[in-house]
Amino acid sequence: SQTIHQWPATLVQPVGSPLSLECTVEGTSNPNLYWYRQAAGRGLQLLFYSVGIGQISSEVPQNLSASRPQDRQFILSSKKLLLSDSGFYLCAWVTGLKNYGYTFGSGTRLTVV
Amino acid sequence: DQQVKQNSPSLSVQEGRISILNCDYTNSMFDYFLWYKKYPAEGPTFLISISSIKDKNEDGRFTVFLNKSAKHLSLHIVPSQPGDSAVYFCAASAWRGSTLGRLYFGRGTQLTVWP
Repeated sequence: SQTIHQWPATLVQPVGSPLSLECTVEGTSNPNLYWYRQAAGRGLQLLFYSVGIGQISSEVPQNLSASRPQDRQFILSSKKLLLSDSGFYLCAWVTGLKNYGYTFGSGTRLTVV
Repeated sequence: DQQVKQNSPSLSVQEGRISILNCDYTNSMFDYFLWYKKYPAEGPTFLISISSIKDKNEDGRFTVFLNKSAKHLSLHIVPSQPGDSAVYFCAASAWRGSTLGRLYFGRGTQLTVWP
């Protein structure tokens, strides 16, 4: 079956510390993968998307970066977190052409203190 | 630039009545529209979708209407239930576009269904 895993579920990090969030997909190959962020009181903001290994497109300039070292692995990173990086981070992938849409991971609640 | 807009941040409806959530879009290239439901601390889950070749799609209590000339879609929930209380996101995509599979989301509408 096709599933998406995202961890950790919650994270509290001090300002200036590094970040690494991981997302893995099972049951498919060469998926389009996405990182979204939902900040307080705002909608879903696309941060990065990837159509293949090593292929990353950035939608919003910021101190975050993404990498796709393997076909079904998508990583969101930061070298130094800012307070404004707090939010709910979601990984998603496109599930297919018929009735297509995203399947989202369970999300990571990041609080930068 | 917000290409998908949900102008009502919240909606409160009594149980058993109809909930109508609205969504507007600006990009005429969008040809596929979806609604997602999101509970706190969880990822959004797919609810219902509609292709631009249709003007209505129904799935149980949920119906999505599309008015292409007005660039407007709506989600109807009948009858509304307390378990429907969640944030609802409208999303749109353009398969003909360059970013295959990318969805553009509205800011969401918090639906509260009270007994």
